[in-house]
Amino acid sequence: AQSVTQLGSHVSVSEGALVLLRCNYSSSVPPYLFWYVQYPNQGLQLLLKYTSAATLVKGINGFEAEFKKSETSFHLTKPSAHMSDAAEYFCAVTTSGTYKYIFGTGTRLKVLA
Amino acid sequence: DAGVIQSPRHEVTEMGQEVTLRCKPISGHNSLFWYRQTMMRGLELLIYFNNNVPIDDSGMPEDRFSAKMPNASFSTLKIQPSEPRDSAVYFCASSPGTGRETQYFGPGTRLLVL
Repeated sequence: AQSVTQLGSHVSVSEGALVLLRCNYSSSVPPYLFWYVQYPNQGLQLLLKYTSAATLVKGINGFEAEFKKSETSFHLTKPSAHMSDAAEYFCAVTTSGTYKYIFGTGTRLKVLA
Repeated sequence: DAGVIQSPRHEVTEMGQEVTLRCKPISGHNSLFWYRQTMMRGLELLIYFNNNVPIDDSGMPEDRFSAKMPNASFSTLKIQPSEPRDSAVYFCASSPGTGRETQYFGPGTRLLVL
Protein backbone atom coordinates (compact mmCIF):
# COMPACT_ATOMS: atom_id res chain seq x y z
CA ALA A 1 0.00 0.00 0.00
CA GLN A 2 1.10 3.54 -0.66
CA SER A 3 0.98 6.59 1.57
CA VAL A 4 2.02 10.21 1.46
CA THR A 5 3.02 12.52 4.28
CA GLN A 6 3.22 16.26 3.84
CA LEU A 7 5.13 17.92 6.66
CA GLY A 8 3.66 21.25 7.66
CA SER A 9 0.04 22.07 7.00
CA HIS A 10 0.94 25.77 6.77
CA VAL A 11 4.12 27.35 5.43
CA SER A 12 4.86 31.07 5.26
CA VAL A 13 7.64 32.61 3.21
CA SER A 14 8.56 36.14 2.28
CA GLU A 15 8.19 37.25 -1.31
CA GLY A 16 11.44 36.44 -3.11
CA ALA A 17 12.46 33.75 -0.63
CA LEU A 18 12.95 30.07 -1.31
CA VAL A 19 9.85 27.89 -1.23
CA LEU A 20 10.29 24.36 0.14
CA LEU A 21 7.28 22.11 0.60
CA ARG A 22 7.99 18.63 1.92
CA CYS A 23 6.53 15.34 0.78
CA ASN A 24 7.55 11.86 1.87
CA TYR A 25 6.02 8.76 0.40
CA SER A 26 5.80 5.09 1.18
CA SER A 27 5.47 2.51 -1.58
CA SER A 28 6.51 -1.10 -1.94
CA VAL A 29 6.79 -0.73 -5.72
CA PRO A 30 8.21 2.07 -7.88
CA PRO A 31 5.99 5.09 -7.36
CA TYR A 32 4.66 7.78 -9.62
CA LEU A 33 4.54 11.09 -7.80
CA PHE A 34 2.63 14.28 -8.44
CA TRP A 35 2.36 17.79 -7.09
CA TYR A 36 -0.93 19.61 -7.57
CA VAL A 37 -1.81 23.21 -6.69
CA GLN A 38 -5.24 24.42 -5.64
CA TYR A 39 -6.02 28.12 -5.77
CA PRO A 40 -8.98 29.39 -3.75
CA ASN A 41 -12.32 28.18 -5.05
CA GLN A 42 -10.71 26.24 -7.87
CA GLY A 43 -9.96 22.63 -8.69
CA LEU A 44 -6.57 20.98 -8.49
CA GLN A 45 -4.08 21.76 -11.23
CA LEU A 46 -1.04 19.64 -12.03
CA LEU A 47 2.29 21.33 -11.24
CA LEU A 48 4.60 18.46 -12.11
CA LYS A 49 4.94 14.70 -12.07
CA TYR A 50 7.61 12.04 -11.70
CA THR A 51 7.14 8.85 -13.70
CA SER A 52 10.55 7.13 -13.39
CA ALA A 53 12.45 9.22 -15.92
CA ALA A 54 14.68 12.09 -14.72
CA THR A 55 14.78 12.43 -10.95
CA LEU A 56 14.72 16.23 -11.14
CA VAL A 57 11.37 17.27 -12.51
CA LYS A 58 10.56 20.76 -13.67
CA GLY A 59 7.01 22.00 -13.63
CA ILE A 60 4.98 25.07 -14.33
CA ASN A 61 5.43 28.48 -12.71
CA GLY A 62 9.10 27.85 -11.87
CA PHE A 63 8.51 24.93 -9.53
CA GLU A 64 10.62 21.80 -9.49
CA ALA A 65 10.87 18.65 -7.41
CA GLU A 66 13.52 16.03 -6.92
CA PHE A 67 12.78 12.35 -6.47
CA LYS A 68 15.12 10.86 -3.85
CA LYS A 69 14.58 7.15 -3.48
CA SER A 70 16.99 6.79 -0.57
CA GLU A 71 15.06 9.38 1.40
CA THR A 72 11.62 8.42 0.01
CA SER A 73 11.06 12.10 -0.63
CA PHE A 74 9.69 14.30 -3.38
CA HIS A 75 10.02 17.83 -2.05
CA LEU A 76 8.74 20.79 -4.04
CA THR A 77 10.91 23.88 -4.42
CA LYS A 78 10.89 27.27 -6.08
CA PRO A 79 13.88 29.61 -5.83
CA SER A 80 11.91 32.82 -5.41
CA ALA A 81 8.36 33.04 -4.09
CA HIS A 82 5.81 35.28 -5.74
CA MET A 83 2.59 36.55 -4.24
CA SER A 84 0.67 34.56 -6.83
CA ASP A 85 2.11 31.31 -5.42
CA ALA A 86 -0.16 31.56 -2.39
CA ALA A 87 -2.31 28.44 -2.61
CA GLU A 88 -2.67 24.94 -1.24
CA TYR A 89 -0.31 22.28 -2.53
CA PHE A 90 -0.98 18.56 -2.60
CA CYS A 91 1.45 15.71 -3.09
CA ALA A 92 0.06 12.46 -4.48
CA VAL A 93 1.39 8.97 -5.18
CA THR A 94 0.24 6.17 -7.40
CA THR A 95 1.81 3.13 -8.99
CA SER A 96 1.70 1.42 -12.34
CA GLY A 97 -1.41 -0.61 -12.87
CA THR A 98 -3.60 1.23 -10.38
CA TYR A 99 -5.90 4.16 -10.89
CA LYS A 100 -5.90 5.35 -7.30
CA TYR A 101 -4.07 8.45 -6.27
CA ILE A 102 -3.19 8.70 -2.60
CA PHE A 103 -3.22 12.39 -1.73
CA GLY A 104 -1.41 14.06 1.12
CA THR A 105 -3.28 16.33 3.48
CA GLY A 106 -2.04 19.46 1.74
CA THR A 107 0.22 22.39 2.64
CA ARG A 108 -1.15 25.90 2.55
CA LEU A 109 1.51 28.33 1.35
CA LYS A 110 1.31 31.94 2.43
CA VAL A 111 3.56 34.52 0.78
CA LEU A 112 4.33 37.62 2.80
CA ALA A 113 4.99 40.97 1.17
CA ASP B 1 -10.11 22.26 -24.69
CA ALA B 2 -12.73 23.36 -22.18
CA GLY B 3 -11.43 21.13 -19.42
CA VAL B 4 -13.64 19.23 -17.02
CA ILE B 5 -16.96 20.99 -16.57
CA GLN B 6 -19.01 20.73 -13.40
CA SER B 7 -22.40 22.12 -12.53
CA PRO B 8 -23.67 23.70 -10.47
CA ARG B 9 -20.69 25.50 -8.96
CA HIS B 10 -22.58 26.18 -5.76
CA GLU B 11 -25.56 24.43 -4.26
CA VAL B 12 -27.43 25.27 -1.09
CA THR B 13 -30.18 22.91 -0.06
CA GLU B 14 -32.10 21.80 2.96
CA MET B 15 -31.65 18.53 4.76
CA GLY B 16 -33.68 15.77 3.18
CA GLN B 17 -33.64 17.19 -0.33
CA GLU B 18 -32.19 15.42 -3.33
CA VAL B 19 -29.00 16.86 -4.78
CA THR B 20 -27.62 16.09 -8.23
CA LEU B 21 -24.14 17.10 -9.26
CA ARG B 22 -23.09 16.96 -12.89
CA CYS B 23 -19.81 16.44 -14.68
CA LYS B 24 -18.64 16.55 -18.27
CA PRO B 25 -15.17 15.02 -18.63
CA ILE B 26 -12.56 16.01 -21.17
CA SER B 27 -13.36 14.53 -24.56
CA GLY B 28 -11.40 11.36 -25.20
CA HIS B 29 -10.74 10.60 -21.56
CA ASN B 30 -11.95 7.17 -20.54
CA SER B 31 -11.50 7.42 -16.77
CA LEU B 32 -13.67 9.52 -14.49
CA PHE B 33 -13.35 10.09 -10.77
CA TRP B 34 -15.58 11.73 -8.17
CA TYR B 35 -13.85 13.15 -5.08
CA ARG B 36 -15.08 14.87 -1.95
CA GLN B 37 -12.98 17.45 -0.13
CA THR B 38 -13.54 18.49 3.47
CA MET B 39 -11.35 20.12 6.06
CA MET B 40 -11.57 17.10 8.32
CA ARG B 41 -10.95 14.31 5.81
CA GLY B 42 -9.10 16.01 2.97
CA LEU B 43 -9.59 14.58 -0.53
CA GLU B 44 -11.49 11.31 -0.65
CA LEU B 45 -12.10 9.23 -3.75
CA LEU B 46 -15.80 8.37 -3.90
CA ILE B 47 -16.09 6.40 -7.13
CA TYR B 48 -14.08 5.56 -10.24
CA PHE B 49 -15.47 4.85 -13.72
CA ASN B 50 -13.55 3.37 -16.61
CA ASN B 51 -15.18 3.36 -20.06
CA ASN B 52 -18.46 4.39 -18.39
CA VAL B 53 -18.44 1.36 -16.07
CA PRO B 54 -18.15 1.82 -12.28
CA ILE B 55 -15.00 0.00 -11.24
CA ASP B 56 -14.61 1.02 -7.62
CA ASP B 57 -17.35 2.56 -5.49
CA SER B 58 -15.83 1.60 -2.16
CA GLY B 59 -15.48 5.24 -1.23
CA MET B 60 -19.16 6.04 -1.51
CA PRO B 61 -20.14 6.86 2.07
CA GLU B 62 -23.51 5.15 2.18
CA ASP B 63 -26.53 4.19 0.17
CA ARG B 64 -27.71 7.77 0.03
CA PHE B 65 -24.97 8.37 -2.53
CA SER B 66 -25.23 7.09 -6.09
CA ALA B 67 -23.35 7.84 -9.29
CA LYS B 68 -24.01 7.13 -12.93
CA MET B 69 -22.19 7.55 -16.18
CA PRO B 70 -24.70 6.96 -18.99
CA ASN B 71 -22.21 7.91 -21.71
CA ALA B 72 -18.61 8.99 -22.19
CA SER B 73 -19.43 12.68 -21.87
CA PHE B 74 -21.63 12.85 -18.80
CA SER B 75 -21.73 11.69 -15.21
CA THR B 76 -23.90 12.48 -12.21
CA LEU B 77 -23.46 12.14 -8.48
CA LYS B 78 -26.70 12.07 -6.54
CA ILE B 79 -27.33 12.40 -2.84
CA GLN B 80 -30.80 11.43 -1.63
CA PRO B 81 -31.69 12.40 1.02
CA SER B 82 -29.02 14.97 1.78
CA GLU B 83 -27.72 15.61 5.29
CA PRO B 84 -25.70 18.49 6.77
CA ARG B 85 -22.62 16.26 7.05
CA ASP B 86 -22.62 15.97 3.26
CA SER B 87 -21.57 19.61 3.04
CA ALA B 88 -18.26 19.63 1.15
CA VAL B 89 -16.67 20.45 -2.17
CA TYR B 90 -17.22 17.71 -4.73
CA PHE B 91 -14.72 17.38 -7.55
CA CYS B 92 -14.94 15.48 -10.77
CA ALA B 93 -11.69 14.51 -12.52
CA SER B 94 -10.92 12.70 -15.74
CA SER B 95 -7.84 11.09 -17.21
CA PRO B 96 -6.94 9.62 -20.59
CA GLY B 97 -6.13 6.20 -19.16
CA THR B 98 -5.50 4.41 -15.92
CA GLY B 99 -2.62 4.40 -13.51
CA ARG B 100 0.00 7.06 -13.82
CA GLU B 101 -1.80 9.35 -16.25
CA THR B 102 -2.51 12.81 -14.98
CA GLN B 103 -5.94 13.42 -13.54
CA TYR B 104 -7.56 16.67 -14.67
CA PHE B 105 -9.85 18.23 -12.11
CA GLY B 106 -12.96 20.29 -12.61
CA PRO B 107 -13.61 23.47 -10.61
CA GLY B 108 -15.76 21.64 -8.09
CA THR B 109 -19.26 22.00 -6.70
CA ARG B 110 -19.50 23.58 -3.26
CA LEU B 111 -22.44 21.95 -1.49
CA LEU B 112 -24.02 23.30 1.66
CA VAL B 113 -26.80 21.30 3.28
CA LEU B 114 -28.71 23.24 5.91
